[in-house]
Amino acid sequence: DADVTQTPRNRITKTGKRIMLECSQTKGHDRMYWYRQDPGLGLRLIYYSFDVKDINKGEISDGYSVSRQAQAKFSLSLESAIPNQTALYFCATSDPPLVDEQFFGPGTRLTVL
Amino acid sequence: GENVEQHPSTLSVQEGDSAVIKCTYSDSASNYFPWYKQELGKRPQLIIDIRSNVGEKKDQRIAVTLNKTAKHFSLHITETQPEDSAVYFCAASISGGGNKLTFGTGTQLKVEL
Repeated sequence: DADVTQTPRNRITKTGKRIMLECSQTKGHDRMYWYRQDPGLGLRLIYYSFDVKDINKGEISDGYSVSRQAQAKFSLSLESAIPNQTALYFCATSDPPLVDEQFFGPGTRLTVL
Repeated sequence: GENVEQHPSTLSVQEGDSAVIKCTYSDSASNYFPWYKQELGKRPQLIIDIRSNVGEKKDQRIAVTLNKTAKHFSLHITETQPEDSAVYFCAASISGGGNKLTFGTGTQLKVEL
């Protein structure tokens, strides 16, 4: 869905580096989410935000932080990257109760060496 | 929290046959059950969803059934085609309760010619 974009699409970094992944949406949705996808584990929720002032931890928030700079922007940071954070990261948006469906961005493939 | 189990992890069918993927959930408060399809290298996309006040929903070759008592729901694909080959994820959430999706671990469906 071109309405949800992520940058960068691919990133290779080294252990200990700080990394920021960015997500932007033009759908006008209030709710935004960050997921991590690992083979055989499905998608797991890292953080989610109801609006600019509301940030919530998901099931695997340790080692990550987020910033909701505006309704349209939600960034995920790895303060000190480690190899087991190597994964595919997806941003998503939704707008309940009108729209429960979550719309995903194209994903960011992160490799931590 | 919610726990979603999905089976099988891989499924191979002949073109034209039917495919069934099953999921169970743990939280009786969950009331929204989407299914996402993820093609190789692409983002997950919603293919069908069902709410707890409905027992079955159909969209062309795809159908989903829900048994609230047993806390399980299933995806049925009839007359499978090669383009149905993908990873399918079930998920569960409480609509309006944060809209947090808990995903199953995915099913790799392969439709063979």
